[in-house]
Formats: sequence, C-alpha cells, structure tokens
Amino acid sequence: GDSVTQTEGQVALSEEDFLTIHCNYSASGYPALFWYVQYPGEGPQFLFRASRDKEKGSSRGFEATYDKGTTSFHLRKASVQESDSAVYYCALALGTNAYKVIFGKGTHLHVLP
Amino acid sequence: GGIITQTPKFLIGQEGQKLTLKCQQNFNHDTMYWYRQDSGKGLRLIYYSITENDLQKGDLSEGYDASREKKSSFSLTVTSAQKNEMAVFLCASSWGNNYAEQFFGPGTRLTVL
Repeated sequence: GDSVTQTEGQVALSEEDFLTIHCNYSASGYPALFWYVQYPGEGPQFLFRASRDKEKGSSRGFEATYDKGTTSFHLRKASVQESDSAVYYCALALGTNAYKVIFGKGTHLHVLP
Repeated sequence: GGIITQTPKFLIGQEGQKLTLKCQQNFNHDTMYWYRQDSGKGLRLIYYSITENDLQKGDLSEGYDASREKKSSFSLTVTSAQKNEMAVFLCASSWGNNYAEQFFGPGTRLTVL
C-alpha cells in the first residue's frame, strides 16, 4: 500500500550543523508531498508542499526537492538552531482518495546549544 | 487568521467508559479530521468529514464514533476506553481536499486507568 518511511527516529545535532532528514515514499500514483513540524505541546504545523517531480518546497530555511526517480523528499537545512528542536513529519496525499493524507512516523530533532 | 480549539486538554477515564473529545474551528473550513498520535507511530487517521453531517472512516476507526453537526465543530467518541491506552488525539481542518494544508489543534491527551 501507499506509505511514507522516515528512516531516522531521532537526530541529534549541534547548532550550525547541516541537517538532513530522510523521507522516502511508496505510492501507486503521483502524490503531493509535505513536511510538517511539531513543537512540544502543540499540533503539527505545515512547512511546505511539492506536487511534481523536481519541484522544490521551502520555508523558514528548510527545503526539500521532490524526486520521483528515487521516490524521496528529504528535508534539509544548512544551519540548525536550538529553536529547530521539534518532531518533523513527512506526508503524502494521493488523488485516488481526495481527502486522505498519509504521515510518516516522524523524526525527533534535538539541537544542542 | 483562525484557530482550532480542542477540549479537554487532558482526559482521564476508566476502562470501558465512553469518552467524548471536542474540536472547534473558526477558519470556516469544509474538511475536518481526527488523528491519533502514538509515540513512534506518527499520525493515524481515525475519521474525517468533508462537510456538515458527513462522516468518513479512516484507517483506525474501529472503537470510535464521530459527529459533525455543525460546520465549525467535529466530535470524537471513544466508545469503550481500553485500559493502559495513552495517546494524543489531534483535530485538524483544511479548505478542501488532501492537497491543501491542514491546520491542527493542540491535541487532547487521553489516559485510561
């Protein structure tokens, strides 16, 4: 079935380190891909979306590029800050079910000062 | 801007008890969602509703009922709470279909004794 895989459950970095959180997907069609961020005590917040191959989404210094060939949408940031500590969710939406979004299991980012 | 309110913030119940969680949004969004969030398992869809009085089951609907009597509100009922169940229930809303950004409430944390 359709699914999203985030390989890292936890990532620990120091401030100013480069961040990569891996996201791969499996889908029968051509999905839209999303990143959401969840800070402690809050609900997830939309970061950005990409809908077609090679499209780059970006927000707040984070970016990801839709890669249909490798079925990936990896999240990157050049220099993380302590305030980026949060859980990051990759998600996909398929046109075959117009209202369902499938979320990955999340990656908990800890940034040490 | 708008806001999603979830009540209560914390809910403690007994095994076998029927428990109701409430969600209100003032975005005037058509679509509303209930997700269950368990540590390490991401967000799993319980129910969604695309308009007032509409209900659609998600992947995790067994053991739950939902109600959408007004456009602005969406309730979730745990029909028989299970002992040792602990999860966060997240409500979300969006303008339209699954390609649209979802806005989340802060969640209701359920504990069953």
